[in-house]
Amino acid sequence: GQQLNQSPQSMFIQEGEDVSMNCTSSSIFNTWLWYKQDPGEGPVLLIALYKAGELTSNGRLTAQFGITRKDSFLNISASIPSDVGIYFCAGQLAGANSKLTFGKGITLSVRP
Amino acid sequence: DTAVSQTPKYLVTQMGNDKSIKCEQNLGHDTMYWYKQDSKKFLKIMFSYNNKELIINETVPNRFSPKSPDKAHLNLHINSLELGDSAVYFCASSHGQGRSPLHFGNGTRLTVT
Repeated sequence: GQQLNQSPQSMFIQEGEDVSMNCTSSSIFNTWLWYKQDPGEGPVLLIALYKAGELTSNGRLTAQFGITRKDSFLNISASIPSDVGIYFCAGQLAGANSKLTFGKGITLSVRP
Repeated sequence: DTAVSQTPKYLVTQMGNDKSIKCEQNLGHDTMYWYKQDSKKFLKIMFSYNNKELIINETVPNRFSPKSPDKAHLNLHINSLELGDSAVYFCASSHGQGRSPLHFGNGTRLTVT
């Protein structure tokens, strides 16, 4: 089955630093999504990518859909304490009702 | 508020009991899902319904039975609860066209003792 690889499992950065997270797959996807989960809450969509090579920003967040369609990265610039949480990548094939496959998530800690 | 809402938020019960989790969305979406998040935070799809019809049914024990009375609701009933069922269960919804991101509820933490 399709698998998404996110590593490392945890990242620790200093407030103000930039951080980049990568997500790779053995399969091609038509859509890449990045979600953030805060404790006690459900995942919230950060950025959606629909085209190979697409680069999209949302405030301090930037994500790219890899040219090979097998990877994506998320960059957070000038991190702040509220960036703490679990970041999930997810890939989806085209077609109605296609399944969304999630990576295992990266837990980000930001030291003030 | 437009949202995906699920109840209860916490559910503590004993092995062997039967319990239900309810989910409602007012986003006008036609597809709803149940995901299970284990202790390692891995999100795994269980079921997906489109316009009240089951379209995805992953390898889930028969003790789990989803029910969709209409496209805005997807409930999850679990029979004969086991210790391994302890997890956080998330409901989600989307426009089921393959390019519509999922919107998640805030989860139901199920603890089976």
